Amino acid sequence: QTVVTQEPSFSVSPGGTVTLTCGLSSGSVSTSYYPSWYQQTPGQAPRTLIYSTNTRSSGVPDRFSGSILGNKAALTITGAQADDESDYYCVLYMGSGILVFGGGTKLTVL
Amino acid sequence: EVQLVESGGGLVQPGGSLRLSCAASGFTFSSYAMHWVRQAPGKGLEYVSAISSNGGSTYYANSVKGRFTISRDNSKNTLYLQMGSLRAEDTAVYYCARLFDSSGYPTTNYWGQGTLVTVSS
Repeated sequence: QTVVTQEPSFSVSPGGTVTLTCGLSSGSVSTSYYPSWYQQTPGQAPRTLIYSTNTRSSGVPDRFSGSILGNKAALTITGAQADDESDYYCVLYMGSGILVFGGGTKLTVL
Repeated sequence: EVQLVESGGGLVQPGGSLRLSCAASGFTFSSYAMHWVRQAPGKGLEYVSAISSNGGSTYYANSVKGRFTISRDNSKNTLYLQMGSLRAEDTAVYYCARLFDSSGYPTTNYWGQGTLVTVSS
C-alpha cells in the first residue's frame, strides 16, 4: 500500500521561510504524480494552493510555491504570515483516477 | 460559479445506513469525475470513493469497500454515497469534491462545505 509521508508538524517565524515536503514510502515523487498541496484551517473545507507540482491556484499569493526537491515534492512558503497557520496536505496521483493523501503537516507561525 | 452542496448527514447507530447527496451546479456535471473525501474528528483527509463522469468506473478505499456505494445521476446533477454497516470509525465530516479537470487530471478542484456523519449508539 502506498503511503504519502509528510512532516507531522513544523514551525516558522513570521516573515520566515519554510519548506514542507511530501515523500513516498517507497520510491521518489516526480512530476508524474501531479503533486498538489491543500491548505485547511479548522472547520473549513480544504483549499488548493498548488497543483501539478508548481501551478498556483487562482488567488493564491506568490509567497506559496511548489517544486520537486530531490526525491520529494515540496511546498515553500516565503515570508510566512500569521494566517498561514494551517494544516497542509500533499496529494499524489497514482493513475486510474486514484489519489493518495498525505497525513498532513500542522504549521505553526510563531 | 461551481457549487457543491452536501446533505444527508446525521446521527446513526452502529450497523445502520445513511445516504449522502451532493447537489452540483455551475459546471457540466456529466463531464467530470466526482469524489467523496472524509475527515474524522482531529484527523487528516481520507480519499473515500470516486466515480467516473459516466458512472462506469468506481473506486473505494479499502476501509469502506463492500460497505459504501458511490453513484451519480447526471440528469439531476447529483452525486450520492450510500453508506451501510456503519461503524464508529466512519464518524467524520464527508466532503463532496471535484478533484479532477475534464481531461482527468488532478488540477483545479472544488469542495463542498461537508456534512457530518456520527455513528454512535
